[in-house]
Amino acid sequence: QSVLTQPPSVSAAPGQRVTISCSGSSSNIGNNYVSWYQQLPGTVPKLLIYDNNKRPSGIPDRFSGSKSGTSATLDITGLQTGVEAEYYCGTWDGSLNAFVFGPGTKVIVL
Amino acid sequence: QVQLQESGPGLVKPSQTLSLTCTVSGGSISRSTYFWSWIRQPAGKGLEWIGRIYDSGSTNYNPSLESRVTMSVDTSKNQFSLKLKSVTAADTAVYYCARGRRPMFDYWGQGTPVTVSS
Repeated sequence: QSVLTQPPSVSAAPGQRVTISCSGSSSNIGNNYVSWYQQLPGTVPKLLIYDNNKRPSGIPDRFSGSKSGTSATLDITGLQTGVEAEYYCGTWDGSLNAFVFGPGTKVIVL
Repeated sequence: QVQLQESGPGLVKPSQTLSLTCTVSGGSISRSTYFWSWIRQPAGKGLEWIGRIYDSGSTNYNPSLESRVTMSVDTSKNQFSLKLKSVTAADTAVYYCARGRRPMFDYWGQGTPVTVSS
C-alpha cells in the first residue's frame, strides 16, 4: 500500500487532455519535489518531470507538472492514438526516510 | 551518455540470497551529486524502491525490506550491488538499477528479471 494515491486509470479521446493526480502528505509531497515517470508496455520507466514541473531534455511540452500543498498533478495534452502507458509519481518521504512511488495510473486512449 | 546494466542470476531458490550488480558506464559513480538505487517491479504491478547508496557507501533502504537488504559500491569498478537475503516468491520481479539525483531517477538500466523458485 503506497503512501501516495493515484487514480487507477484515466481516459480521453485522441488529441484530448488528461490530468493525473498524485496525493500525499506533509511528510512526502508537502515537503519534497515530485517526479513523474512514463512506462510504456514492456519498457523501462522514463523520467518525464522532475522538481515538480521541469522537463528533461527531449520530453515534449505536451507533458507538464505542478504541485500544490500535498498534491501533485501531471497534465498530458494531445493524447496519441494507440499510446497507452502507465504513469507513476514519486518523491522522498521524510518520515519513512525512503523514496516512494505512487501506485501508477494507466492512461487509456478511447 | 550514462548507461547502467544489471547483471546476476535470473533464478534464485527460496530462502537463498539474491545478488545483483549494476555496472555504470559513460560517467563516474564517484560523484556525490548522485545516488544509486535499486527498484523492482513484479509482473503487472507497480514500482517499488529498494534502496540507495552513495559513492561514500552511505545507504538508505526501504523500511519494508531493510532487514533483508544490503547494498554496496565498488568505485574502482564503477559498480554497485544488491543483496537480498531469505527470498520468497514475493521477491520475483524485474529489478532495475537507476541513477538518482534530488528525488528523481534520470537514468535506468534495462532491468533484469529474477524468479524465485525451487
